[in-house]
Amino acid sequence: DAGVTQSPTHLIKTRGQHVTLRCSPISGHKSVSWYQQVLGQGPQFIFQYYEKEERGRGNFPDRFSARQFPNYSSELNVNALLLGDSALYLCASSFTGNEQFFGPGTRLTVL
Amino acid sequence: AQRVTQPEKLLSVFKGAPVELKCNYSYSGSPELFWYVQYSRQRLQLLLRHISRESIKGFTADLNKGETSFHLKKPFAQEEDSAMYYCALSAYAGGADGLTFGKGTHLIIQP
Repeated sequence: DAGVTQSPTHLIKTRGQHVTLRCSPISGHKSVSWYQQVLGQGPQFIFQYYEKEERGRGNFPDRFSARQFPNYSSELNVNALLLGDSALYLCASSFTGNEQFFGPGTRLTVL
Repeated sequence: AQRVTQPEKLLSVFKGAPVELKCNYSYSGSPELFWYVQYSRQRLQLLLRHISRESIKGFTADLNKGETSFHLKKPFAQEEDSAMYYCALSAYAGGADGLTFGKGTHLIIQP
């Protein structure tokens, strides 16, 4: 098992654009969570999805949205990008929700 | 809202010396606590969780509800322990509120 996979690895966008990040969970895991990690900080919770339903949302603006597909993969969308959205975006999957397995992340740079 | 504090940004100890990475939390309920580790160029991975009471790679952590602490300890540090360590808290069963992470402690083991 390759573990949690994320694509793309790196991404460069300009202010005002939108971006879509993708995540494939570990086989058998039905829960996917998204985190934002700014340099020098710990990961910050954005969303959690379970069985295609949103179960939790962190303190992020409505520019951030996500969804989970029938195969349990997930997308994170960010609209109207700001410079401050530059970060490493982590996806984590879990079977129950608490013990989370992280992907390698997508490095987003907003210019 | 819950909070996790890791007071040391950087901790440097010599090989063979004891290690203690501090973690304090604030949460009014009964949280679940975790330690995650990130080795150089690797993804974030779970080191241990308080409910399992395991010792992983020689590390242990005891949840002290009175002091709201979950310090990570190892009696004899090894060079391969050099990594970034994050303490994390889950407030809800099933993790619907996501994990709340501290800012992390960079542990350096000197030969």
